[in-house]
Amino acid sequence: DAKTTQPTSMDCAEGRAANLPCNHSTISGNEYVYWYRQIHSQGPQYIIHGLKNNETNEMASLIITEDRKSSTLILPHATLRDTAVYYCIVYTISGGYQKVTFGTGTKLQVIP
Amino acid sequence: EAQVTQNPRYLITVTGKKLTVTCSQNMNHEYMSWYRQDPGLGLRQIYYSMNVEVTDKGDVPEGYKVSRKEKRNFPLILESPSPNQTSLYFCASSPGRTGGYEQYFGPGTRLTVT
Repeated sequence: DAKTTQPTSMDCAEGRAANLPCNHSTISGNEYVYWYRQIHSQGPQYIIHGLKNNETNEMASLIITEDRKSSTLILPHATLRDTAVYYCIVYTISGGYQKVTFGTGTKLQVIP
Repeated sequence: EAQVTQNPRYLITVTGKKLTVTCSQNMNHEYMSWYRQDPGLGLRQIYYSMNVEVTDKGDVPEGYKVSRKEKRNFPLILESPSPNQTSLYFCASSPGRTGGYEQYFGPGTRLTVT
């Protein structure tokens, strides 16, 4: 199973772009990169996912390197409500089964 | 409203007393999963199910049972709870092969076993 590595914590000034890196050097060709966030002890919230190409939605952008060994989640204009733990995970789908491994994530603190 | 619900939200119990945490989703999702979250360890998958009557172990299945008799429900059963199962539990569902694999999480169940 591919595993991910993320920095333990990061700070970002309010209004600035928050760039959260993730390393997934053992990712397989058919595995997607997914990002979630968790505010306090609430249930994690899906943000975005991608396979090879960069992706953008109303919440964030996802940049995946050409070799797919790392990715960056970009929150273009961070607000205080974006303070959360951000998880980068890789989905292993084997024979139709879905085994998911979360890491410990990056705690993003948005500073006023 | 599309959602994943869990009950109870909080539970304090004693060692060895069987309990069930219910999980239900109203989105007709194929996949459902259970996770536990402990300080410093992130979220760890307990069991998952790709469809009715099809379940498999995640990373930490010991001490837990699940069943998937209906598509919408995926209860988590602790036959003989122990203090090391004190944790925050999350249920999640995702559409599956035809609809994608992003997971929708429930609000969590905080379990304390004394």
